[in-house]
Amino acid sequence: GQQVMQIPQYQHVQEGEDFTTYCNSSTTLSNIQWYKQRPGGHPVFLIQLVKSGEVKKQKRLTFQFGEAKKNSSLHITATQTTDVGTYFCAGPRSSASKIIFGSGTRLSIRP
Amino acid sequence: GAGVSQTPSNKVTEKGKYVELRCDPISGHTALYWYRQSLGQGPEFLIYFQGTGAADDSGLPNDRFFAVRPEGSVSTLKIQRTERGDSAVYLCASSRDGSGNTIYFGEGSWLTVV
Repeated sequence: GQQVMQIPQYQHVQEGEDFTTYCNSSTTLSNIQWYKQRPGGHPVFLIQLVKSGEVKKQKRLTFQFGEAKKNSSLHITATQTTDVGTYFCAGPRSSASKIIFGSGTRLSIRP
Repeated sequence: GAGVSQTPSNKVTEKGKYVELRCDPISGHTALYWYRQSLGQGPEFLIYFQGTGAADDSGLPNDRFFAVRPEGSVSTLKIQRTERGDSAVYLCASSRDGSGNTIYFGEGSWLTVV
């Protein structure tokens, strides 16, 4: 079945350092979505990318969708303590398919 | 409503008991999803409704799990003969039309089977 993997599983950085998480799907995705989950909270939608090779930015966050629509990355520039949490990628194989979540990357930050 | 609402927020039950978890999606959202999340893991897909019908129930782990959405709005996840391994956060989410669009999660129902 469809699998979505993320690396690394954990990342511990000094505040101000950059952070990147990578997402790889075993199948082509219709779109890729990114969510952030704070400790004790629920996943909250960040962004959706649809087109092959698409790049979107939200302030210090840069999201990229691979050319083959099977991988994606999230890069955070100059991390802040508010960035702490677990970042999940997710996507459907096709429109109207179930949305499968990746295993997540947990980001912790040293002030 | 303004967001996805789930009840109860916490449930402790004894092994072997029956449990119902309720989800009230965002008003007007036709697609509804149930996920299960264990500590340190990503949300695990259980079932997805489009309107009243289950469009995909391939994630239900076994026949002890069942979900309904009789009027295309509120959904109930039912777990029979609960086992300790069923302990997890059960997350409900909804989306506007289920065409792979963004999904919005509720706060979750924390189930503990003792």
